[in-house]
Amino acid sequence: DAGVIQSPRHEVTEMGQEVTLRCKPISGHDYLFWYRQTMMRGLELLIYFNNNVPIDDSGMPEDRFSAKMPNASFSTLKIQPSEPRDSAVYFCASRSTGTSGDNEQFFGPGTRLTVL
Amino acid sequence: EDQVTQSPEALRLQEGESSSLNCSYTVSGLRGLFWYRQDPGKGPEFLFTLYSAGEEKEKERLKATLTKKESFLHITAPKPEDSATYLCAVQAGFQKLVFGTGTRLLVSP
Repeated sequence: DAGVIQSPRHEVTEMGQEVTLRCKPISGHDYLFWYRQTMMRGLELLIYFNNNVPIDDSGMPEDRFSAKMPNASFSTLKIQPSEPRDSAVYFCASRSTGTSGDNEQFFGPGTRLTVL
Repeated sequence: EDQVTQSPEALRLQEGESSSLNCSYTVSGLRGLFWYRQDPGKGPEFLFTLYSAGEEKEKERLKATLTKKESFLHITAPKPEDSATYLCAVQAGFQKLVFGTGTRLLVSP
């Protein structure tokens, strides 16, 4: 398996623009997570899905952020409008129920977002 | 509020110099404590999960232990390739992980 795939790997945009980050989870995984990592706050959970349904979005910072999972193999995180404080590395992770006693999440390589 | 604190923030070791990283946590109902390794420019890579006080797990030069208040990641005779940021996380809610800010480890030859 190719692992969790994220695109783009780097995104530079100007304040006010719409940004869409994409994620393809590992095939067969039923949970998908979106995280944001900054130097100040570390790795923070934004939202997670189970079987394509959003379960907990309490970490989404504000209404400018939205996430969708239209099918089991694709998810998007959208920021509209973007602001400089959104600059961070965004990670997608997935996991499967019950296949491992370790309950580990598998992370993608991340998207480094810079908002000018 | 669920919280994870890692110390030290950064650690520099000579090759072969053993040490320990600390992860202190407060959580209402621990469902698991996780250790991940993160290399620069990459996503976190899973190392261990611990579920109950007294549990220990080992992998090569790494050994993770758990008490009711903290976890330690012991690194025995480290090599330069062990240089990375080590992240600790607790599973608080059903699937929710709360991460610490990590310990940056540099092992010099």
